[in-house]
Amino acid sequence: DTAVSQTPKYLVTQMGNDKSIKCEQNLGHDTMYWYKQDSKKFLKIMFSYNNKELIINETVPNRFSPKSPDKAHLNLHINSLELGDSAVYFCASSRTGSGNTIYFGEGSWLTVV
Amino acid sequence: GESVGLHLPTLSVQEGDNSIINCAYSNSASDYFIWYKQESGKGPQFIIDIRSNMDKRQGQRVTVLLNKTVKHLSLQIAATQPGDSAVYFCADTQGGSEKLVFGKGTKLTVNP
Repeated sequence: DTAVSQTPKYLVTQMGNDKSIKCEQNLGHDTMYWYKQDSKKFLKIMFSYNNKELIINETVPNRFSPKSPDKAHLNLHINSLELGDSAVYFCASSRTGSGNTIYFGEGSWLTVV
Repeated sequence: GESVGLHLPTLSVQEGDNSIINCAYSNSASDYFIWYKQESGKGPQFIIDIRSNMDKRQGQRVTVLLNKTVKHLSLQIAATQPGDSAVYFCADTQGGSEKLVFGKGTKLTVNP
């Protein structure tokens, strides 16, 4: 059983489109995250949610809107996609609090053409 | 800028040798450190962690060393195997935050 699963794994779309990436975790964690990995492999946090509440919101364009319908799900919706949005997006989860291991999904490869 | 960085972007070793991957951090408030392994096409996988009240922690074939004086973290892999080939990231959380800050990554290549 996959602990943190995200779909789709690959997504190719045109500029200007709106797309969503879904994430689910079955670890019983209260905190979920979205990370972005660029072409140079640099990983950076975008958002974190705790029990459906936004906790961390890094400097991310407001075209990116996370939504957490319940604590096991955190979806990422992206409006008006731009070429620079092409990256790998990782969902992750952990127990609440600093010092808890963060578990990552397998990633969603987004290519904007 | 990011507080966590790596000395070497690539490391190539022979199978059976020991590998050492280094990492530097700049924030004195960093209190929890993690090493992740990322294989091609996959997500980061937890390897080992260490808290700031420790200076060494051992796992299976891996050891993490923390030197708070010089703000340095290292990952040692014993008897490196081809399956260890991956990009390795150090990361830390700062001052009780859940925000995990990643370093740039070191690509480890194990030659048979």
